[in-house]
Amino acid sequence: AQSVSQHNHHVILSEAASLELGCNYSYGGTVNLFWYVQYPGQHLQLLLKYFSGDPLVKGIKGFEAEFIKSKFSFNLRKPSVQWSDTAEYFCAVNDPAGNTPLVFGKGTRLSVIA
Amino acid sequence: DAGVTQSPTHLIKTRGQQVTLRCSPKSGHDTVSWYQQALGQGPQFIFQYYEEEERQRGNFPDRFSGHQFPNYSSELNVNALLLGDSALYLCASTRRQGLHEQYFGPGTRLTVT
Repeated sequence: AQSVSQHNHHVILSEAASLELGCNYSYGGTVNLFWYVQYPGQHLQLLLKYFSGDPLVKGIKGFEAEFIKSKFSFNLRKPSVQWSDTAEYFCAVNDPAGNTPLVFGKGTRLSVIA
Repeated sequence: DAGVTQSPTHLIKTRGQQVTLRCSPKSGHDTVSWYQQALGQGPQFIFQYYEEEERQRGNFPDRFSGHQFPNYSSELNVNALLLGDSALYLCASTRRQGLHEQYFGPGTRLTVT
């Protein structure tokens, strides 16, 4: 069965600091990878996705993620965070065959302070 | 183009009662999945509906059941509510064929007292 580990439960950064959130998954086959964000009081929104091709994926709001197959990782990065990036971030994986359900990590809460 | 919509927004029920939550998928989507998100946790998959049939199911008891209608909308029913059923219930929709991400609705916050 697939599982997703997000190593950081809560990350606190100052504005303009760089961000990297870790995500590792356990699954031997081909996977689709996703990062979702949940801003306070809002619904889950897709930040970026990886289906195939270039392992460096660019998403919305300046976020990017790199798929490293050998490490089973899909870490999220942003060069300079803003206060508005304060949110909960979820890494998720599914099997491309048949649009299987998403398996989510427990999430990382990001707090950006001025 | 409306996204995924869910109703109601909030619900308070008593232990032992039954509840029905509703979801309308994004336009053009034919597959609906339901997830439970407990406080401080990531969403957990309950089940998925396509062509009005339950196609896949997560590790949830039979108290959790669902339905999909011909217009692709869906309901989640939970019987004999327990305190532990208190959570945010999320509906997600996608298209069955091809590689597509899932779009999530705002969720229904269920509180069981």
